Amino acid sequence: GAVVSQHPSWVICKSGTSVKIECRSLDFQATTMFWYRQFPKQSLMLMATSNEGSKATYEQGVEKDKFLINHASLTLSTLTVTSAHPEDSSFYICSARDARGLVGELFFGEGSRLTVL
Amino acid sequence: GESVGLHLPTLSVQEGDNSIINCAYSNSASDYFIWYKQESGKGPQFIIDIRSNMDKRQGQRVTVLLNKTVKHLSLQIAATQPGDSAVYFCAEIGMDSSYKLIFGSGTRLLVRP
Repeated sequence: GAVVSQHPSWVICKSGTSVKIECRSLDFQATTMFWYRQFPKQSLMLMATSNEGSKATYEQGVEKDKFLINHASLTLSTLTVTSAHPEDSSFYICSARDARGLVGELFFGEGSRLTVL
Repeated sequence: GESVGLHLPTLSVQEGDNSIINCAYSNSASDYFIWYKQESGKGPQFIIDIRSNMDKRQGQRVTVLLNKTVKHLSLQIAATQPGDSAVYFCAEIGMDSSYKLIFGSGTRLLVRP
């Protein structure tokens, strides 16, 4: 089956540093990837839609300068949390849509847990 | 606005019983609905989906019911097993150009042995 890999799976960083999270589709091409954030005991909140070769579309309330998204190839999207602060600590999850598949066919990564000290 | 849960209600069931998990979705224009299972520290796993032109779909031990009139979705799990313990989310896709997947509030299912 289709696999989406996220790296790192967990990261701890100091306040003020930037952290990059990668999302890769391992066996399919993904023209669209989605980035979600999930706080403890809450649902997944969509942050942005990442489209290959174009700028990401951010959801209302999500700072695009804070959460930089790059989708430079059909198999890789990156999320960079810039100048991270403790309130950015969360579980970040990506999903990818197979370019050849159905609209509803999304594959999720295993998530990246960010802890900002 | 988007439907995002602020807390997770819990459903506790006895092993072997049937479970029913409910979800209210927000967008009447949504065309496609999916149930996901999420175990602690992991990404969501697809369980079953249903299109808006259907009101029921069955899978292995699971059934999804869709009531578009009241924007309600339910997931029925037959003969619930300990391995079913997880958080369950419904999600919806609107048929606009972005085809964004928006998650609803989740429910934690606890299966008592």
